[in-house]
Amino acid sequence: NAGVTQTPKFRILKIGQSMTLQCAQDMNHNYMYWYRQDPGMGLKLIYYSVGAGITDKGEVPNGYNVSRSTTEDFPLRLELAAPSQTSVYFCASSYSTGRETQYFGPGTRLLVL
Amino acid sequence: EDKVVQSPLSLVVHEGDTVTLNCSYEVTNFRSLLWYKQEKKAPTFLFMLTSSGIEKKSGRLSSILDKKELSSILNITATQTGDSAIYLCAVTRNSGGSNYKLTFGKGTLLTVNP
Repeated sequence: NAGVTQTPKFRILKIGQSMTLQCAQDMNHNYMYWYRQDPGMGLKLIYYSVGAGITDKGEVPNGYNVSRSTTEDFPLRLELAAPSQTSVYFCASSYSTGRETQYFGPGTRLLVL
Repeated sequence: EDKVVQSPLSLVVHEGDTVTLNCSYEVTNFRSLLWYKQEKKAPTFLFMLTSSGIEKKSGRLSSILDKKELSSILNITATQTGDSAIYLCAVTRNSGGSNYKLTFGKGTLLTVNP
């Protein structure tokens, strides 16, 4: 199993540009999550999904959008990049039971200039 | 709003030392407390503690939940350089179907010098 994979690993964006962060998992997990981690801070939940076609906002959803058309994939979309979105983004997934035990991807480092 | 506070924020020790990391929390209708280790990249799961499982141990790492003090400690004995990482504490609450939402602390950066 590859586990949770994320692409790209690193990206530089200009203010106002858009991009999609990709996330995929091959563990057949129903639950998927997007977090951001700023330096010296813990992880903050952006969006989550409890299954294909079902998504909901987390703690810091502004400026982001998600979709979940399949169990495996959970892309995160930034529409108009802002410097405040400079961060490291982690995707995670879990089973519906024991859902607190989340498996994280390697992260995408995003720099908005 | 749920709150998780970790201390110290950073710690430098020598190989072989024993360290204790602290996590205190304020959460409505507490369900579980989790410890994660974050090296260069992704956080990896260490322990989950609940009201029915307040002590966990794995090798040199152990963790205890103090429900009265609303806190937890993570102990690492005979530290090695490979223990250098950020240690994250998170909590969940019993909230209908939302018990998977993790609220994280800022983490403790542990550096183990040879």
